[in-house]
Order: sequence, then structure tokens, then C-alpha cells
Amino acid sequence: AQTVTQSQPEMSVQEAETVTLSCTYDTSESNYYLFWYKQPPSRQMILVIRQEAYKQQNATENRFSVNFQKAAKSFSLKISDSQLGDTAMYFCAFKETSGSRLTFGEGTQLTVNP
Amino acid sequence: GAVVSQHPSRVICKSGTSVKIECRSLDFQATTMFWYRQFPKQSLMLMATSNEGSKATYEQGVEKDKFLINHASLTLSTLTVTSAHPEDSSFYICSARVPGLVQETQYFGPGTRLLVL
Repeated sequence: AQTVTQSQPEMSVQEAETVTLSCTYDTSESNYYLFWYKQPPSRQMILVIRQEAYKQQNATENRFSVNFQKAAKSFSLKISDSQLGDTAMYFCAFKETSGSRLTFGEGTQLTVNP
Repeated sequence: GAVVSQHPSRVICKSGTSVKIECRSLDFQATTMFWYRQFPKQSLMLMATSNEGSKATYEQGVEKDKFLINHASLTLSTLTVTSAHPEDSSFYICSARVPGLVQETQYFGPGTRLLVL
């Protein structure tokens, strides 16, 4: 079974600075999908960024980018120019190509300080 | 992105009553929807996978008779918590998979907070 590990329960960053959230996963599959979701205080889950394992190029969405290291099974999220609205719980998630279910990590609570 | 709605957003009920939560895909047809449960400051726990026109697939440890799932149309799935008890109080979230997308992304509803007194 796949597992997803987020080793940082809480992190904080100053506004306008850069922060990196860690995620590692375990799988025997060669192709799969990886996601970062954000859950602000409203508790609405919002997709931040996604990556297909067969793509070597790291995904980027505006201030959000990932560092995907397939051999190391690592998928970290970098947030540049942090904003107060980035304060949220961030979940890393894994999905097999063939299956439909998402496997979530435990989450990292990020606080952006003014 | 695709929009998923949930209703109600919060509900308070008495112990022993049943509560129905609706999950709708607003701008796409979802052949597969998912139901999650989330306790405070914890991750999402998948309860069941709901497939349109067929029986839901429940995760291990989730009581089928207590958490009834119906996916009668391509835009609506419902979760009914039967004979609710205080330990069923939680945050319930649904999601829907957008068919045909290579990325196989799930989009989430805003969640329903259930409090059983």
C-alpha cells in the first residue's frame, strides 16, 4: 500500500519570504500522480499544484513550485513571496495511475506572519 | 477548476436521528465521487467511493449500514448517516473526479460539519 509522509506538522514563515514543505511517499508503481492541496480555515480543500510522475519537469503555478525527485520519492512544495492568505493546512497526496483513490499525508500547518 | 457543492454546510441533530448530506458536481458529470471524514487537525480519511448507478465501495472499518451512500445521477451523490450518535460528529467532505482529465484530479466540496447532540 502507498504511504505519504509529511514530517513537518507545523511551519511558519514571514510574509514575502520563501518556504518549502516536505513530502515523501512510498510506492512500487512507476507511474502515478502527486498533488498538493491547501485547506484554509474555511476548510475548503483547494488544489494547489499537481505533477505526473512520468514528467521530469517540475510543475509550477505562479508562486508555487515543486521539487520532484522520483528516485528519492520526494515531492516538496516551495511557496515564494509568501502571503497572509497562504496560511492554511497543506496536504500532499498520491494517486496511482490505475486507481481512483487519493492517499493523503498527515498535513503541514503553515502560518504566514506579517 | 470544476465546482463541487455540498449541502448543508452544517447540521445539528439529536442522537438517534438520520442526516442526509448532498454532494453535487455543478459544471461537469461525475461518474465517481468520494466521501471523506476529517477530525480536527487531522488528515482526510476516505470512507467510500461512490460510483454512479452501482453500489458504493466502502473502506475497511466503515459501516455500510450506518453510512448509506447513493449515487443516483451523474451530478449527485448523497451520504446518509443513520441513527447518528455523538461519536459521528465530524467534518464530512465529498469530492468528485473530473472524467477525461489526464491528471485525474479530484475537486472537493466545501464540507459539512455534523454535530450530534
